[in-house]
Amino acid sequence: DAGVTQSPTHLIKTRGQQVTLRCSPKSGHDTVSWYQQALGQGPQFIFQYYEEEERQRGNFPDRFSGHQFPNYSSELNVNALLLGDSALYLCASSLAPGGAGETQYFGPGTRLLVL
Amino acid sequence: GQQLNQSPQSMFIQEGEDVSMNCTSSSIFNTWLWYKQDPGEGPVLLIALYKAGELTSNGRLTAQFGITRKDSFLNISASIPSDVGIYFCAGRGSNYKLTFGKGTLLTVNP
Repeated sequence: DAGVTQSPTHLIKTRGQQVTLRCSPKSGHDTVSWYQQALGQGPQFIFQYYEEEERQRGNFPDRFSGHQFPNYSSELNVNALLLGDSALYLCASSLAPGGAGETQYFGPGTRLLVL
Repeated sequence: GQQLNQSPQSMFIQEGEDVSMNCTSSSIFNTWLWYKQDPGEGPVLLIALYKAGELTSNGRLTAQFGITRKDSFLNISASIPSDVGIYFCAGRGSNYKLTFGKGTLLTVNP
C-alpha cells in the first residue's frame, strides 16, 4: 500500500523565482492538504483540495496556489519566492469527509531553500 | 498562524522512564491527533482521538481527548532510544485544517 509521496525531496531557488511541488496521495485517498513547516515550528496549513477544488485556505498570500488532478494528485505553486518561503513543505492525504476518514497522513516533505 | 500550546518544549529522560506531554487550546476541537516527526521526514500518525473523554492506546503510547475538548495528553511508558524525536499534537475543529502545536523534543539517554 503506497503511502503519500512527494517530489522533489530538495530544491534550491533564488528570490523572485517560481516553484512547483508535487504530491501523490495515499492509495484510496481523495483529499490533499498542504502545510508549510518552518524550522523549529509545527506545520502551518496552506490549503486543502478535494474534487479538484480548493476547499479551504489558511493564512497564506495569493502567491501560494495549487491544483488537484483527476487522479487526486496535487501541485503546490509558489510565485515570486521570498527568503521567508524557505521551509519544509508537507503534503497530507485523507478521505473526505467525515469521521475517521479525515485523519491526515503525511508525506516526507520537500525541503525548499530560497537564496 | 495559530498554534496550540504544547508542553513541555523539550524533555531529556533516561531509558525506561515514562513520559507525559500535553496540548491545550483556546478553541474546541472535534479531533485530536498525535504525530511523531524524525529529522528530515514528515510527521507519522501515532494516535487519533475522535470523542471527548476518549482514551486510546497504541503499544506503549496512551493518549486522551480532554473532556472540555480543549486539551489532550500523550503518555509514553518505558521509553526506549528509538522514541527520540519531535512529538506534535494537532487538533481539527469544524473546518478541515489541522492546527499544530510547536512540538515536544524528546531525547532518551540509553
